[in-house]
Amino acid sequence: AQRVTQPEKLLSVFKGAPVELKCNYSYSGSPELFWYVQYSRQRLQLLLRHISRESIKGFTADLNKGETSFHLKKPFAQEEDSAMYYCALSRNSGGGADGLTFGKGTHLIIQP
Amino acid sequence: KAGVTQTPRYLIKTRGQQVTLSCSPISGHRSVSWYQQTPGQGLQFLFEYFSETQRNKGNFPGRFSGRQFSNSRSEMNVSTLELGDSALYLCASSSVAGGWEQFFGPGTRLTVL
Repeated sequence: AQRVTQPEKLLSVFKGAPVELKCNYSYSGSPELFWYVQYSRQRLQLLLRHISRESIKGFTADLNKGETSFHLKKPFAQEEDSAMYYCALSRNSGGGADGLTFGKGTHLIIQP
Repeated sequence: KAGVTQTPRYLIKTRGQQVTLSCSPISGHRSVSWYQQTPGQGLQFLFEYFSETQRNKGNFPGRFSGRQFSNSRSEMNVSTLELGDSALYLCASSSVAGGWEQFFGPGTRLTVL
């Protein structure tokens, strides 16, 4: 069975500092990886998807199949980045994604 | 477009009772997925419905069931409630079956006493 691990429950950094939220996964096949974010009093929403290789709100994430990791990075943190971040995996079954397996989340706090 | 709506937002039940939660997806979305969120286990996939058919199911006991109507609205039912069923139940909709971009509702907070 697939598994997603986010080793940090809480990460606190100062504004302007680099941010890296760690995500490791285990899955024997070829997964699709995502980052979802939940800002205070808002709904869970998609931040980015590894296949698109986009930079969203300054965040990027590279899939490293050798290390089975999908860390989320941003060079300069902003206060509005404070939120809960969830790494998620979907099995690439060829017939579309099969539900999302989420990590337990990292609470990112950006201090002024 | 209106977002995903879930009713009720809060619910208190006692052990042994059953409960039905409702989810209305974004207009035009035919896929509805349900997730359970608890502090201990995090977000766990329950099941997905697409065009009134259950497409995928997570690792939950048979007490958890669902259905989808022709207008894509979905209901989730939990029978013989246990204390451990206390959780936030999230519904998400997608435009395609197994869609990776899921749009989440605000959730229904279920408390079992």
